Amino acid sequence: KAGVTQTPRYLIKTRGQQVTLSCSPISGHRSVSWYQQTPGQGLQFLFEYFSETQRNKGNFPGRFSGRQFSNSRSEMNVSTLELGDSALYLCASSSKQGQETQYFGPGTRLLVL
Amino acid sequence: GENVEQHPSTLSVQEGDSAVIKCTYSDSASNYFPWYKQELGKRPQLIIDIRSNVGEKKDQRIAVTLNKTAKHFSLHITETQPEDSAVYFCAAVGGNNRLAFGKGNQVVVIP
Repeated sequence: KAGVTQTPRYLIKTRGQQVTLSCSPISGHRSVSWYQQTPGQGLQFLFEYFSETQRNKGNFPGRFSGRQFSNSRSEMNVSTLELGDSALYLCASSSKQGQETQYFGPGTRLLVL
Repeated sequence: GENVEQHPSTLSVQEGDSAVIKCTYSDSASNYFPWYKQELGKRPQLIIDIRSNVGEKKDQRIAVTLNKTAKHFSLHITETQPEDSAVYFCAAVGGNNRLAFGKGNQVVVIP
């Protein structure tokens, strides 16, 4: 099976802009979770989608949002970008709802200038 | 929610020696504890996991132990090799069904 894919891989934006990141899970996986990875903070959970519904949400401001489509592909949107949003954004897919074995994508590296 | 702490933050070992990384968790309802390895520039990959009904699990040179009473779990790597150099993340699924990660341990294996 093909692994989890994410697009784009790299992105440069300026403060105030908005960005949309995409994640395609492993075929047959219906759960997609998003994480923000920054040096020193590790992996911080953003949200999880399962069957097009947000099932769990981390402690991020409302500027971070997401959605999932009927084919399980997911998008994450960040509005009004801030310098502190610069990070590696990872998505992970799982065959079950709830956060058990996660298969990660390569990530999208976002730089906000 | 669940809070996972990882120690030490950096660990250097001589090739062939053992490495141990310890994690503690706060939520007594946590029931699943995976470990992920992230090599430089690559995605995190699951290397081993353990559930709360098991005290120890081993897979070749890697083992994980769980102490539910003390709420800590550890990763043991024996006969370390240069390819074991990476950042290792522990995680726990708490009662809120959310996977909480530790901040990671940088393991450096010195040839």
